[in-house]
Amino acid sequence: AQRVTQPEKLLSVFKGAPVELKCNYSYSGSPELFWYVQYSRQRLQLLLRHISRESIKGFTADLNKGETSFHLKKPFAQEEDSAMYYCALKGGGYQKVTFGTGTKLQVIP
Amino acid sequence: DAGVIQSPRHEVTEMGQEVTLRCKPISGHNSLFWYRQTMMRGLELLIYFNNNVPIDDSGMPEDRFSAKMPNASFSTLKIQPSEPRDSAVYFCASSKGGTNEKLFFGSGTQLSVL
Repeated sequence: AQRVTQPEKLLSVFKGAPVELKCNYSYSGSPELFWYVQYSRQRLQLLLRHISRESIKGFTADLNKGETSFHLKKPFAQEEDSAMYYCALKGGGYQKVTFGTGTKLQVIP
Repeated sequence: DAGVIQSPRHEVTEMGQEVTLRCKPISGHNSLFWYRQTMMRGLELLIYFNNNVPIDDSGMPEDRFSAKMPNASFSTLKIQPSEPRDSAVYFCASSKGGTNEKLFFGSGTQLSVL
């Protein structure tokens, strides 16, 4: 079974403060991890994926297999980062994609 | 490319009525997913298809829910009879299905069952 846990439903930070959105997973095989974002009145869209080791809009995420975590980080939060963030795990022979419950990030001006 | 197309955008119905949600995936994508979004549970996977074949429907909450994919360009999610607790946003997403391929989401259907 595959499972994704996002412990925080809401995270409020001040503009310019560091951000860390937590994600832990449970999966017996080699996981593919993703972060998706949903801005107000927009579709859910991919933010980044672990295989690419990329930085998108200042966000990074490192896969830690020992801690089974894939936390999303940004050193300086901006108001436009306010959105709903979902961590997702893809696995299994038919590439099942399971999401966490999501974290709402609120950046206070 | 219009992306994943869902209809209707909004659906208001009365308890006991049948509800049908529709989805047109991106052409060439061979995986299709149905999710339900609520405040309490976030994004729950209901069912997904690979090459039009249902692979895992363990997330379908009850027998009142059913989904079909008669061809590569169309899928439906049906609730019969509907109940107030089914009120949520229902998303359809499609993917090429390969390693590290991302999901493309539709705009969702906001369902309200009165």
